[in-house]
Amino acid sequence: DGGITQSPKYLFRKEGQNVTLSCEQNLNHDAMYWYRQDPGQGLRLIYYSQIVNDFQKGDIAEGYSVSREKKESFPLTVTSAQKNPTAFYLCASSTPGATSTDTQYFGPGTRLTVL
Amino acid sequence: QKEVEQDPGPLSVPEGAIVSLNCTYSNSALQYFMWYRQYSRKGPELLMYTYSSGNKEDGRFTAQVDKSSKYISLFIRDSQPSDSATYLCAMTGANSKLTFGKGITLSVRP
Repeated sequence: DGGITQSPKYLFRKEGQNVTLSCEQNLNHDAMYWYRQDPGQGLRLIYYSQIVNDFQKGDIAEGYSVSREKKESFPLTVTSAQKNPTAFYLCASSTPGATSTDTQYFGPGTRLTVL
Repeated sequence: QKEVEQDPGPLSVPEGAIVSLNCTYSNSALQYFMWYRQYSRKGPELLMYTYSSGNKEDGRFTAQVDKSSKYISLFIRDSQPSDSATYLCAMTGANSKLTFGKGITLSVRP
């Protein structure tokens, strides 16, 4: 089955700890994205990558870091510098320039709770 | 003015009702329009995609775009309890970045 997987589904972290969220896709998509979703605020873009070994900051990148060493994988690290990390994190992928015009497909999400 | 505004919710309707969900946008460079459906604690799934003014129908769902008024809508006919979810409008232009509305939570009562 083609799709996007995120792990873990639920994650608990103590204040001051870094944590890494996994995102893997087997859709052969070039572009990958990380969003944060908070109640009443919709989806906000954290980082995105349109090609391997390249990524750009989104609207709320402070306190987060990413890497894109493989086309299939785009892990997100939530660092201790992120002041309000408790949220639902969504990974997405798309193929820029395709006739579907950058339609993004989402993974199931990771709910991060800071204790 | 926010780039994308979505009607606030929540919205509760009886089963069988016609539902109208709406978004407006301010940037005329936004050309491609999507509706996503998100069930509780799940990732959004693409429901409808369109890029031209007019209507696009898929089963009980119709997406409508009016570029001159910068207004998009999603209509759900014969609504079912299984349609209960959060609906997000999204749009993009040449830069490939999606801009989302805040979402509206729909509840369809049996």
